[in-house]
Amino acid sequence: AQRVTQPEKLLSVFKGAPVELKCNYSYSGSPELFWYVQYSRQRLQLLLRHISRESIKGFTADLNKGETSFHLKKPFAQEEDSAMYYCALTGSNYKLTFGKGTLLTVNP
Amino acid sequence: GAVVSQHPSWVICKSGTSVKIECRSLDFQATTMFWYRQFPKQSLMLMATSNEGSKATYEQGVEKDKFLINHASLTLSTLTVTSAHPEDSSFYICSATYPTSGTHEQYFGPGTRLTVT
Repeated sequence: AQRVTQPEKLLSVFKGAPVELKCNYSYSGSPELFWYVQYSRQRLQLLLRHISRESIKGFTADLNKGETSFHLKKPFAQEEDSAMYYCALTGSNYKLTFGKGTLLTVNP
Repeated sequence: GAVVSQHPSWVICKSGTSVKIECRSLDFQATTMFWYRQFPKQSLMLMATSNEGSKATYEQGVEKDKFLINHASLTLSTLTVTSAHPEDSSFYICSATYPTSGTHEQYFGPGTRLTVT
């Protein structure tokens, strides 16, 4: 079975502070990991996927197979980063399994 | 590119009636579409996987006779909530993917808010 755990339901930081949203997964094969973001009143949209190894809006995420983690990081948080963040995993069946999400609030 | 639309964006219906929600891929052919349900302040829960031209595959605990899914073309999937009851009130979201793109990325629609009175 595939499972995604986001231990923090809420995360609050000040503008300019570093932020890390934790994600751990459980999957027996080789998963594809994603971070999705949902801004207020907007649709879910892809932020990052591990195979791209890219940085989007200053966010990065590294897949650590040893720790089965895919934490999302940004060195300097901005107020516009406030949103709901979902870590998700898919395997060979293309089904996405979402974590419960972390609501990030960046305070001025 | 890769835009997914849903219609309607919100709907109110009376208990016992049926409601149809459409999901369209606007600029690509979606071999697979997914239907999710999202309760307030909760994560997305996969309801079913829909492949064009074949029967949908439902997740455990999802009543296939209540949530009818049709994927008649490569750009359209529909979810019909039959004999709706207040507990069916929720936010329904679809997504689409085309695995031949080389990634399992799913493109999400804006969602449909269903309220059953």
